[in-house]
Amino acid sequence: GENVEQHPSTLSVQEGDSAVIKCTYSDSASNYFPWYKQELGKGPQLIIDIRSNVGEKKDQRIAVTLNKTAKHFSLHITETQPEDSAVYFCAASRAGSGYALNFGKGTSLLVTP
Amino acid sequence: SAVISQKPSRDICQRGTSLTIQCQVDSQVTMMFWYRQQPGQSLTLIATANQGSEATYESGFVIDKFPISRPNLTFSTLTVSNMSPEDSSIYLCSVDRTGQLNTEAFFGQGTRLTVV
Repeated sequence: GENVEQHPSTLSVQEGDSAVIKCTYSDSASNYFPWYKQELGKGPQLIIDIRSNVGEKKDQRIAVTLNKTAKHFSLHITETQPEDSAVYFCAASRAGSGYALNFGKGTSLLVTP
Repeated sequence: SAVISQKPSRDICQRGTSLTIQCQVDSQVTMMFWYRQQPGQSLTLIATANQGSEATYESGFVIDKFPISRPNLTFSTLTVSNMSPEDSSIYLCSVDRTGQLNTEAFFGQGTRLTVV
């Protein structure tokens, strides 16, 4: 089955700096890679995703890159703000055929003012 | 996006009892998934809820412990049976909205279960 590794487990940055979280996956058939933000006491919120036919996707301060050959994908947050502090999860799946998501272990991001 | 409502949002239960968690989606979806998130951990898939057929369970999860219903395309329930303190977790419902080209997976706000 799919195995998703996520690093780092914790990340502390100063407000305004960039944050990068990296994930690797094992199943070459995976083609859907979402990122979720989970705040305390809430369910995971989809913040951005990328599909295997795209190498990079950007949405304002958030970007995701995918390297299918190396089987890794990364989340980039620029100009971080204290409200970006949360746990971030990457996931991988074979989309469109009912396969569920395989999650990384999460990264606890702390943005200090 | 999909609007997913889960009930209850939290509960404290006695060991040996059962709790049924409800998941309601604002539109019809083919696949619904139930996940467990143990304290401080990532999300683990319990089962896939299929409309019109039995749920498909992941390794380590069995129907007797986690019976699931899926009576229609917008609703599902997960029951945590004969609970023990080890069942204390957040239980999350998720839907996979798939179109021709795009798939997005959304989560409910979760049910925080504490077993005492």
